[in-house]
Amino acid sequence: RKEVEQDPGPFNVPEGATVAFNCTYSNSASQSFFWYRQDCRKEPKLLMSVYSSGNEDGRFTAQLNRASQYISLLIRDSKLSDSATYLCVVSPTGANNLFFGTGTRLTVIP
Amino acid sequence: DAGVTQSPTHLIKTRGQQVTLRCSPKSGHDTVSWYQQALGQGPQFIFQYYEEEERQRGNFPDRFSGHQFPNYSSELNVNALLLGDSALYLCASSLRTGGGWNSPLHFGNGTRLTVT
Repeated sequence: RKEVEQDPGPFNVPEGATVAFNCTYSNSASQSFFWYRQDCRKEPKLLMSVYSSGNEDGRFTAQLNRASQYISLLIRDSKLSDSATYLCVVSPTGANNLFFGTGTRLTVIP
Repeated sequence: DAGVTQSPTHLIKTRGQQVTLRCSPKSGHDTVSWYQQALGQGPQFIFQYYEEEERQRGNFPDRFSGHQFPNYSSELNVNALLLGDSALYLCASSLRTGGGWNSPLHFGNGTRLTVT
């Protein structure tokens, strides 16, 4: 079983739409969770960390459900510039090696 | 403030050959990790170097080896290249603080390796 599983999409949504991505992780001892964004042929960049209490950064909201080992990312009022691949990332306790999902491709359409 | 830099940006090698990829960490960072990203996949952890030693290793064969230099820069070496080694190789740096690695990873632009 993969460490991190996420729906590869693609998700094609109109501008202004709300879109949600989900992923699950297999290691219940995992302590750090992130969403990274990767543009085509570019390196991954940290979008936001994910905390147990949930956290919001502008139009982006991340949620963590430890009991279900489930992480989500909600994007409100989608912009064309949000088009990218969104990677769900999990890290074991005290470690710096990250386990990435395969990524979910989002295309925002004018 | 220089970010993570990798060289070369692209490389074409033949099966059986050996390759060396290079990485300079972000200024102030002391830890370097290497990832392999195959087409359509997320990055896979290869190994991490801190204080010139390999500290953690992912599920990669011994053909993958590395080194970290006193100035924190790092090399990834792959011997006996296979077609399946074709991928984007990403270097990421971070700073070890308080006994752990709590700072986020900063990735370089990657080296795209093609094995023919």
